Amino acid sequence: NAGVTQTPKFQVLKTGQSMTLQCAQDMNHNSMYWYRQDPGMGLRLIYYSASEGTTDKGEVPNGYNVSRLNKREFSLRLESAAPSQTSVYFCASSAGQMSNQPQHFGDGTRLSIL
Amino acid sequence: QKEVEQDPGPLSVPEGAIVSLNCTYSNSAFQYFMWYRQYSRKGPELLMYTYSSGNKEDGRFTAQVDKSSKYISLFIRDSQPSDSATYLCAMNTGGFKTIFGAGTRLFVKA
Repeated sequence: NAGVTQTPKFQVLKTGQSMTLQCAQDMNHNSMYWYRQDPGMGLRLIYYSASEGTTDKGEVPNGYNVSRLNKREFSLRLESAAPSQTSVYFCASSAGQMSNQPQHFGDGTRLSIL
Repeated sequence: QKEVEQDPGPLSVPEGAIVSLNCTYSNSAFQYFMWYRQYSRKGPELLMYTYSSGNKEDGRFTAQVDKSSKYISLFIRDSQPSDSATYLCAMNTGGFKTIFGAGTRLFVKA
C-alpha cells in the first residue's frame, strides 16, 4: 500500500527555471494538500484541494500554482523559481472533505534553487 | 506571535525515561489536536488525534488537551531509541487549514 507518493525526491534548479512537483494518493481520499517545511517554521500550507475540481490558497501561495488533475493526483508548479523557494515540499491527503480528518503525508521533495 | 508555539529542543533522554512534549496555542477556536512523528528525511506520520479536551492513550503514548490553558501535551512512556525523531503538534478549527508547530527534536539514548 503506497499511500501518498511524491516525485521527484530531490531536485536542483537555477533561479528562473520552472518545475512541477507531482503527488498521487491511492487511498481514495477527497482532499489533498501541498505544504512547505522550513527550519524553525514548521509546515506551512501552500494550496489545498477540498475535492476533485476545486483548489484554494493556503498560507503561502505566492509563486506557486496547483492542478488537481483527478481524484488521485495533485501537482504543484513553480513557474519561475526563486532561492526563497528552497525548501522541502510535502503533499498530504485526507479522507473527509473537512481537514479535521487526519492527513497522511508523502516523504517529500527536497528542492534547492541556486 | 505564532498561533502555535513548540519548543524546538533538542530534548535528550535516556532509554526508558518518560518524555513530555508540549505545545501552546493562542486560537481558542481550535478543536482538533494532533501529534505527528517525523523521522529524518521522511514525511510526518500521525501518532495521536484528539477532539476537544481530555486524554487519549494508545500504547506507550498519551495525548492531553487542556483547552482552558490552551496547552497540549504528548507523553511517551518507556522511551526507546526508535522514538528518536521530531514530534510535531498540529491543530485545526474544523476547516481545511491545519496549523503545525515547528517541531521538537527528541533523542533517546540507549
